[in-house]
Amino acid sequence: GAVVSQHPSWVICKSGTSVKIECRSLDFQATTMFWYRQFPKQSLMLMATSNEGSKATYEQGVEKDKFLINHASLTLSTLTVTSAHPEDSSFYICSALRGAGTDTQYFGPGTRLTVL
Amino acid sequence: DAKTTQPPSMDCAEGRAANLPCNHSTISGNEYVYWYRQIHSQGPQYIIHGLKNNETNEMASLIITEDRKSSTLILPHATLRDTAVYYCIVRSPNFGNEKLTFGTGTRLTIIP
Repeated sequence: GAVVSQHPSWVICKSGTSVKIECRSLDFQATTMFWYRQFPKQSLMLMATSNEGSKATYEQGVEKDKFLINHASLTLSTLTVTSAHPEDSSFYICSALRGAGTDTQYFGPGTRLTVL
Repeated sequence: DAKTTQPPSMDCAEGRAANLPCNHSTISGNEYVYWYRQIHSQGPQYIIHGLKNNETNEMASLIITEDRKSSTLILPHATLRDTAVYYCIVRSPNFGNEKLTFGTGTRLTIIP
């Protein structure tokens, strides 16, 4: 149990276009999902916390108008990178919290975004 | 959340026990210790977590010192597939504050 999927696993797009990444909890309901970004040879950096039915909470320095997050159901959160630029090229990873409090975050396999 | 300190890298011979240390000297009384690992170009994988008692599951054992200022993750019989970056993370159990802050982790290399 506790499987989280992401789609697509990789995407290449042109500069200026928008890209949507989906994160799904397959066998549990997740009231909270998280979005991380990881640049090469670096650790994961939390971008935002997404709660079902409410606005996402963004970490300091993350542009909410550029990284649109929607958490419309208990099993799906989406991250849209708007007007992508080469510096947005990164590995985007989501996680889903099964339960609350002391329960565990389970991570998706990640999405590799390359902006040309 | 309390910060953690881990050695940047470690090697372990295949078949031997891998012992990964973590210092978390500023941990609060209700904060949990979580361990995740990340194999290259994949999302992190949950391994184990604990509060004060030692924990064991099918993947690993977690030993937490009595003062809770440090812990050790033990992979009992390391295989080549255990080569990964291992992250020790201290996390609040409080509702609404479950986010994980990743440090730089320990890069564990299993040697054939």
